[in-house]
Amino acid sequence: GAVVSQHPSRVICKSGTSVKIECRSLDFQATTMFWYRQFPKKSLMLMATSNEGSKATYEQGVEKDKFLINHASLTLSTLTVTSAHPEDSSFYICSARDNSRGLAIAYEQYFGPGTRLTVT
Amino acid sequence: GQNIDQPTEMTATEGAIVQINCTYQTSGFNGLFWYQQHAGEAPTFLSYNVLDGLEEKGRFSSFLSRSKGYSYLLLKELQMKDSASYLCAVRSGAGSYQLTFGKGTKLSVIP
Repeated sequence: GAVVSQHPSRVICKSGTSVKIECRSLDFQATTMFWYRQFPKKSLMLMATSNEGSKATYEQGVEKDKFLINHASLTLSTLTVTSAHPEDSSFYICSARDNSRGLAIAYEQYFGPGTRLTVT
Repeated sequence: GQNIDQPTEMTATEGAIVQINCTYQTSGFNGLFWYQQHAGEAPTFLSYNVLDGLEEKGRFSSFLSRSKGYSYLLLKELQMKDSASYLCAVRSGAGSYQLTFGKGTKLSVIP
C-alpha cells in the first residue's frame, strides 16, 4: 500500500530558530501534498496545499513567510517553520495524493506519521 | 463556511456497539470520510461515503444522508484497541482534494 513518511518524528528547538520537516511518498508519486497542524485535543487544520513545481496555496490565516513550503519533486515536500516560537509547538502532519488515483477513489490521501514540534 | 460537528467524547463497553454521529454544513459536498487516530499518530482511513446509504466493512459501518447533512460511524463488537479519536472529514468540491475535518470524537472502550 501507499506509504508516506515524515522526518523527523520529534524535534525540540529553541525559540527563534528554524526547523525543516520532510514529507516523502515512498512508493508513489504525489503531485499534491497537504500540510496540517493539530493542537492538543483539536482537529487537523489544513495549513497549505503543496503543489510540485509551483507555489503552495496557503489557507487563510497561515503566514506563508513563516511556514515555507517547497515541493521540489514528486516524492518530497518540505515545511520549514522559520523563527519558531513556543506557540508554534504542535503536531504537524502531511498527506499525499496518489497521482494514479482519480477523484472517485476514496483512498486518495495518505497521511504521514506526523512530526511533534516543541519550541522552548 | 464549513462546519462539521461531532461529539467530543464517548464511552462504551467492550463487546458493545457504538454510534458516532457527524453533522456538516459545507459550501459543497463531494464525499465524507471517517478516520481513526490514536494519540500521537496520524489518521488512518476507515470509510468513505459519497452516496446516501450504509457502507459496511467488517466491524465498521458508515451511513450518509446528504439531504440531512448527517453521517454516522457504527462500531460493532468493540475491542479495547478501538479506543481512539474518530474524525469525520468532508471533501467540499469536485475539483478539490482538500478535506475539512471535524474536531474528532474521543472514544474510550472500557472492560
